[in-house]
Amino acid sequence: ETGVTQSPTHLIKTRGQQVTLRCSSQSGHNTVSWYQQALGQGPQFIFQYYREEENGRGNFPPRFSGLQFPNYSSELNVNALELDDSALYLCASSLDQGSQDTQYFGPGTRLTVL
Amino acid sequence: DQQVKQNSPSLSVQEGRISILNCDYTNSMFDYFLWYKKYPAEGPTFLISISSIKDKNEDGRFTVFLNKSAKHLSLHIVPSQPGDSAVYFCAASAYGGTSYGKLTFGQGTILTVHP
Repeated sequence: ETGVTQSPTHLIKTRGQQVTLRCSSQSGHNTVSWYQQALGQGPQFIFQYYREEENGRGNFPPRFSGLQFPNYSSELNVNALELDDSALYLCASSLDQGSQDTQYFGPGTRLTVL
Repeated sequence: DQQVKQNSPSLSVQEGRISILNCDYTNSMFDYFLWYKKYPAEGPTFLISISSIKDKNEDGRFTVFLNKSAKHLSLHIVPSQPGDSAVYFCAASAYGGTSYGKLTFGQGTILTVHP
């Protein structure tokens, strides 16, 4: 059974550019959540996808968008990058969308915006 | 509005002794609580969880205690080992509404276990 994987591991972009981050869920998991972790802080919820539909969103602007594919892999897209978008981006998969379902995290993508 | 708080930024303990990490929350809707461990340059690793219908859950050296009336939970590690040195995050989720499935994290506590 493979765990959650993310690509790329590191990325450097300049302000105003667009970026796409990718995540493969753990086998058998149909729900994926994305989090942003700034330096020295806990992860902050961006949004969750369940069976290809957005299923809850945190306090992030619309330039943060996502997709979930039929195989339950997922993408996070960020448009018009700002310096404050520099962070570790984590995806987490879970067996189902239930609140009492453990989320398993990938290793993250470190995004640096210059 | 910090709904999950870990008030101790760091904790240092001797190998073999008990480590106690604390977490407070304010949202009464939270019904599931988790602890994660994170090493540098890695994603958080799930450690242990507890449902709001329980007050204790044990898994090997790790025990989580939940005090709903005080809105407080703690993670006990006994005995502590140098490999336990990491950042520990407390997280909570709530049933229903727009919070469904969302994990709310504390700021983390850096645990250092000295040999």
